[in-house]
Amino acid sequence: EVQLVESGGGLVQPGGSLRLSCAASGFIFSDYWMSWVRQAPGKGLEWVANIKQDGSHTYYVDSLKGRFTISRDNAKKSLYLQLNSLRAEDTAVYYCARFRGRGWFDPWGQGTLVTVSS
Amino acid sequence: QSVLTQPPSASGTPGQRVTISCSGSSSSIGSNTVNWYQHVPGTAPELLIYSDDQRPSGVPDRFSGSKSGTSASLAISELQSEDEADYYCAAWDDSLNGVLFGGGTRLTVL
Repeated sequence: EVQLVESGGGLVQPGGSLRLSCAASGFIFSDYWMSWVRQAPGKGLEWVANIKQDGSHTYYVDSLKGRFTISRDNAKKSLYLQLNSLRAEDTAVYYCARFRGRGWFDPWGQGTLVTVSS
Repeated sequence: QSVLTQPPSASGTPGQRVTISCSGSSSSIGSNTVNWYQHVPGTAPELLIYSDDQRPSGVPDRFSGSKSGTSASLAISELQSEDEADYYCAAWDDSLNGVLFGGGTRLTVL
């Protein structure tokens, strides 16, 4: 069974940092692009970032460039998202997803909640 | 501005057919395929339709997708109470070099 499990969310103060992880199983992780998508409370889904199979190419939503970094470790079958200089508006559930191209994400993890508050 | 526009809400009674629209631009839907997701709050979003009109295995054929020009639609026939959820369209945008999601449509089964 293809499965993605996120971890690492929690409560962090404004200006702080957090590293999210996503453990993949049930498929050849190194064969696929991977992504992070988030959903703020009461809002819709927002694409955050993509990373190529070997990690050589990454893409970010313009509004987050420079603060968030996507990375992966194929040996550990894991995807990561480093969140820096966090703001209240970054409060959201962050989902890990396998990226099949052109807006096609399948499957998705259950998500991990990040709350930015003092 | 690069956006995908969906109606915020839709509703229907059991057994009815409902459609949800998604309007984009030449750089998004006009140049790329559209995908649809079902999201029940508190759970993982699920892929319903990919590449405009393709259904993944396991998705009932009550769900169908279509596209024309810079707009796309999701149709749900034989509406069931379990279809109550939020529905999102998504597409790549060539001018943004990234993925756009629609604002989401909350479907209520009356």
